[in-house]
Amino acid sequence: QSALTQPASVSGSPGQSITISCTGTSSDVGAYNYVSWYQQHPGKAPKLMIYEVTNRPSGVSNRFSGSKSGNTASLTISGLQAEDEADYYCSSYTSRSTPVFGGGTKLTVL
Amino acid sequence: EVQLVESGGGLVQPGTSLRLSCAVSGFTFDDYAIHWVRQAPGKGLEWVAGISWNSGNIGYADSVKGRFIISRDNAKNSLFLQMNSLRAEDTALYYCAKDGGYHNFWYFDLWGRGTLVTVSS
Repeated sequence: QSALTQPASVSGSPGQSITISCTGTSSDVGAYNYVSWYQQHPGKAPKLMIYEVTNRPSGVSNRFSGSKSGNTASLTISGLQAEDEADYYCSSYTSRSTPVFGGGTKLTVL
Repeated sequence: EVQLVESGGGLVQPGTSLRLSCAVSGFTFDDYAIHWVRQAPGKGLEWVAGISWNSGNIGYADSVKGRFIISRDNAKNSLFLQMNSLRAEDTALYYCAKDGGYHNFWYFDLWGRGTLVTVSS
């Protein structure tokens, strides 16, 4: 199963909005509403930020939102803050009944 | 408090075996599927294996299929990963991660801190 495609890096200034894309195929992102997003700060375990494309777990800021169109899912962070600087990973359920991750995106807050 | 605590990592030689454990507390262990996810140094996340609540659904990444075996003991709130024929490319931090569902492999809503496996001669 090939990894989902994410941009290697994105950046934005405090207060701005950024979007991270996650491109898969009709066998994963395009076929199921089981796309999730994870935030990972250096030296820390990943943290679930979005599940089932658009849902936020309790405690996650509403500045984080998810969407999907066709084979591409997106994570949008609005009102960018310094603490948002981290690596972000998408994941999707696949037609092989297994999950797959994206390669990860490093977010830099300028 | 919800906790997933991995153990069993270490430095091993290529071709040898290692067994990882994950001790869980703070939620009803046998209500959920659970996984092993690894991260090689400086690299991204890679799903390794997952197991449903009753062990009826088990899956492996192609990279470990035939070498690794995932299992769980619901009576002991524990998850295991038997790793055989280890290779240098298996070197990684291995995370235990709880699924949001009980049978299929949907998403990972709780993570441990990981245990480091280093395969080197």
